[in-house]
Amino acid sequence: EAGVTQFPSHSVIEKGQTVTLRCDPISGHDNLYWYRRVMGKEIKFLLHFVKESKQDESGMPNNRFLAERTGGTYSTLKVQPAELEDSGVYFCASSQERGTEAFFGQGTRLTVV
Amino acid sequence: LAKTTQPISMDSYEGQEVNITCSHNNIATNDYITWYQQFPSQGPRFIIQGYKTKVTNEVASLFIPADRKSSTLSLPRVSLSDTAVYYCLVGPMYSGGGADGLTFGKGTHLIIQP
Repeated sequence: EAGVTQFPSHSVIEKGQTVTLRCDPISGHDNLYWYRRVMGKEIKFLLHFVKESKQDESGMPNNRFLAERTGGTYSTLKVQPAELEDSGVYFCASSQERGTEAFFGQGTRLTVV
Repeated sequence: LAKTTQPISMDSYEGQEVNITCSHNNIATNDYITWYQQFPSQGPRFIIQGYKTKVTNEVASLFIPADRKSSTLSLPRVSLSDTAVYYCLVGPMYSGGGADGLTFGKGTHLIIQP
């Protein structure tokens, strides 16, 4: 069974550009989460989807970040416009039910120059 | 969420048992204790979760004293491949094995030597 997959694995963009990260959760997992680790900092929660609904988006840093999960399957996280401080690794995780084991993807390394 | 404190790094040798202790003095009644493992260039991986006493699975054991103000992750007979960062997380049950609003600290960098 495929695990959580994220695309791309690495993205380098210029400040001001737009980038869209994609996460494909494990099939059948209703819960999908986004996390990120910016340079030198700890892994921080961004938001949580239950199917296509945003359950908790308290960790989203600002309105330059937009997460969607249309149809309740894969999710995208768009950063527009990207700033230098957005550089870091963005992780996606999924779980079948809330409170059950969550599986993380390998992350997308975003570099904004 | 309760704040956790764990060693920044630890070294050990192959074949030994490694114990990593985490302090969480402000743990709440409904908080669970969860440990994650992370290898370089990979996402965190759930290892074990517990509420009190001892929990054991095929990977590790988790010891939690009666006051629950600390917990110890025990890795039996480690190998080189156990070199990773280990995170101790404390939160309500729904954010334990799941990933709701997890708070990752700095973790413990465990280095296993031959």
